[in-house]
Amino acid sequence: DGGITQSPKYLFRKEGQNVTLSCEQNLNHDAMYWYRQDPGQGLRLIYYSQIVNDFQKGDIAEGYSVSREKKESFPLTVTSAQKNPTAFYLCASRSGEDSPLHFGNGTRLTVT
Amino acid sequence: AQKVTQAQTEISVVEKEDVTLDCVYETRDTTYYLFWYKQPPSGELVFLIRRNSFDEQNEISGRYSWNFQKSTSSFNFTITASQVVDSAVYFCALRGMNSGGYQKVTFGTGTKLQVIP
Repeated sequence: DGGITQSPKYLFRKEGQNVTLSCEQNLNHDAMYWYRQDPGQGLRLIYYSQIVNDFQKGDIAEGYSVSREKKESFPLTVTSAQKNPTAFYLCASRSGEDSPLHFGNGTRLTVT
Repeated sequence: AQKVTQAQTEISVVEKEDVTLDCVYETRDTTYYLFWYKQPPSGELVFLIRRNSFDEQNEISGRYSWNFQKSTSSFNFTITASQVVDSAVYFCALRGMNSGGYQKVTFGTGTKLQVIP
């Protein structure tokens, strides 16, 4: 079955450490996205990529970095510069201009 | 700028009751898409429906129905005869299509629905 796989489901890190969240899709979608979800705030866009080797900042990119070396993969690194990294992170992809987003199961990151 | 407002933060209903989730949007684009997503406790957002701005026909899918009214900028979602499995957070989203380049998807803050057996 095609879909988006995010790993791990739960991630714990100490403050000051960088951490990378994995997102892999086998849907053959060109566009991929990273969202952050906080209680009561809906989903906010961190980064997006419309094609391999290209990505753009979203609304809250500070403290995050991404890469898109392969169509299937769009990893997100949460750096020590991100002031409030504890959140639920969702990866998504889209096949076409008017298509809906397909989401992964998310990764819950806790930084202490 | 785009905005999606879901004024209902949490709703509780007893099983078999009907419930309507409200969604009001703002956009300057004349062409846009509206979406509803369901987020069960597992966390994954599940796509429910997409509507484009030129199609104001209401849609029914089983116990789910959607009422799109451009005059009031609303895209409300009704669940008939609610079931416990409907318990989830529901998000309304908007994607404007006029600005060219990347068309941003704006999400509302979500409505948490609890269906009590």
